[in-house]
This record gives sequence, C-alpha cells and structure tokens, in this order.
Amino acid sequence: GIQVEQSPPDLILQEGANSTLRCNFSDSVNNLQWFHQNPWGQLINLFYIPSGTKQNGRLSATTVATERYSLLYISSSQTTDSGVYFCAAETGANNLFFGTGTRLTVIP
Amino acid sequence: DAGVIQSPRHEVTEMGQEVTLRCKPISGHNSLFWYRQTMMRGLELLIYFNNNVPIDDSGMPEDRFSAKMPNASFSTLKIQPSEPRDSAVYFCASSFRYSGYTFGSGTRLTVV
Repeated sequence: GIQVEQSPPDLILQEGANSTLRCNFSDSVNNLQWFHQNPWGQLINLFYIPSGTKQNGRLSATTVATERYSLLYISSSQTTDSGVYFCAAETGANNLFFGTGTRLTVIP
Repeated sequence: DAGVIQSPRHEVTEMGQEVTLRCKPISGHNSLFWYRQTMMRGLELLIYFNNNVPIDDSGMPEDRFSAKMPNASFSTLKIQPSEPRDSAVYFCASSFRYSGYTFGSGTRLTVV
C-alpha cells in the first residue's frame, strides 16, 4: 500500500502561534484527508483535499499532488487545537492509509 | 444528519465472550469501513463494504472476526471468542464517492 509519512511527530506551541504540519505520500492519490483526533479520541474530518488549497477558519490545507505532499496550516493556535493530526491517503483501492500522526500540544 | 453512529461507546468483556459492535452510516453513503486503532499499529482497515457487499476483508486479523452489512443503514463487527489482544478502539466510517470519509466516535473495547 501507499506510504504516508508525517512530520514533525510532536509539536508544542504557545497559544497564538502558527504552525505547519507536513504529509508526504509515496504514490498518486485520489483521496487525501486531514483528521484531528481530539483528546477524547474522536476523529474529526478537517479537509478532503486531493489537490489544491482549502481554508476553514484558522485552518487551511494545501496538497501538491504532483510532488506528493500536503501541508496543514494552523494559525493563531488555541488550546482546543491540541490532539493528534492525521493525514490519510487513498490510491483508489478504497483503503485510506493513515500516517502515524503529529501530536500537537498548545499551551496557554 | 447525526453523522456515523456507533454503539456501544465502551465495552468491557471477559476473554472468550462474544462481542458485537454496531454502526449506522450516514444516510446516502454507499461505502462503509471498519478500522481498528492501537498504540502499536495505529489505524488499520479491517474490512470495507460497497453497496452493502463486502469488498476487501484482508485486514480482518483472523477467523474470530466477522462483519456483516444486512442493509444500507446498519453494520456489525463481531468477535467470537474475544481475546485480550483484541483490546483497541474500533471505528466505523462511511463515505460517498469523492466526499471523503466520516468517522464515528468509536467503540473502546477492553477484553480482560
């Protein structure tokens, strides 16, 4: 299956800071999603973004499909942004492969 | 829509007992997926259905695991007999074509 690598594995931010999370994938994709797993374990769908750029409030994501990477931008971070951010990619076999995640801690 | 609904939220059972996890996908979604999350292996796909038909069950760990989707609005994942190593969070997700996957809240299973 496709390999999905995320960086950094851990990130600590002061509240109000900005950050960029990166996801590299090893093959062409027809589905690229970003999820936030909150401290209660719930997986929240942030973006469905196989290519291009999308924005939702303080979050935005960009996928450059030709170069096989995606970036998640978090601006003006808040403590509620804490949790694990997963990138997941699908190549067409209906199997969404997940990266190992970036654990974000936002401190007040 | 209420999203993907899973039950129970938590399940504690003794080794050897049968466990049944339930999932109601989002109405109109034609694909349903069962994932398992553990610290060691992360999120891994167990099985997925397309239009209620099982398409790929290669991720099901062994014969003790079985899944059914009798109709478009309901699926079950059964473990019989359960073992301590089955302890994990089990997620159900649904999708429709290129809309992305939506996950349920998960069932935290503990087998003692």
